[in-house]
Amino acid sequence: KAGVTQTPRYLIKTRGQQVTLSCSPISGHRSVSWYQQTPGQGLQFLFEYFSETQRNKGNFPGRFSGRQFSNSRSEMNVSTLELGDSALYLCASSLQGPPLSEQYFGPGTRLTVT
Amino acid sequence: GQQVMQIPQYQHVQEGEDFTTYCNSSTTLSNIQWYKQRPGGHPVFLIQLVKSGEVKKQKRLTFQFGEAKKNSSLHITATQTTDVGTYFCALVGNFGNEKLTFGTGTRLTIIP
Repeated sequence: KAGVTQTPRYLIKTRGQQVTLSCSPISGHRSVSWYQQTPGQGLQFLFEYFSETQRNKGNFPGRFSGRQFSNSRSEMNVSTLELGDSALYLCASSLQGPPLSEQYFGPGTRLTVT
Repeated sequence: GQQVMQIPQYQHVQEGEDFTTYCNSSTTLSNIQWYKQRPGGHPVFLIQLVKSGEVKKQKRLTFQFGEAKKNSSLHITATQTTDVGTYFCALVGNFGNEKLTFGTGTRLTIIP
């Protein structure tokens, strides 16, 4: 079974720009969660989508948004980038969602904002 | 909000020594998951604990869930170089809110 894939793997943007990251979950998984990982803040939950609906959301500003398509693929968008948005963005897929079933993480997208 | 403390933050051990990381919550938990992230890698699921006082073993790894469901531990016996990485607990609260909150992680390094 193919694992979770994320594109692109690396990205460099400048302040004020926007960015879209993509995540393809494991086949059959309907839940996709997004996390931001930084050395200072650790792994922080952004949001979770299940069957195209946002089921849960973390404490991030509205500049962070996401969506899920009917094939369970998900995208997250960050608008008006700030230097502090530099991080590793991880997506994770699971059958039922994070609290109930294990999550399978993708390799992440390393975003650098200059 | 829920406070998740994971200690220690760093641990350096000689190969063959044991290692333990602890995860503490200020509130009662529904369940807890453990993940391992190798340097440069992504988190990989290890186990999920649900029941009060639950103990699960995976080869040299022993996971425990506290009786009050507020803390958990991961113990590795006779560490090997392959155990290097950061170990995270991930907590699910008991509030009806189903967010998964990750602990700060314990970074394990092995001295060969």
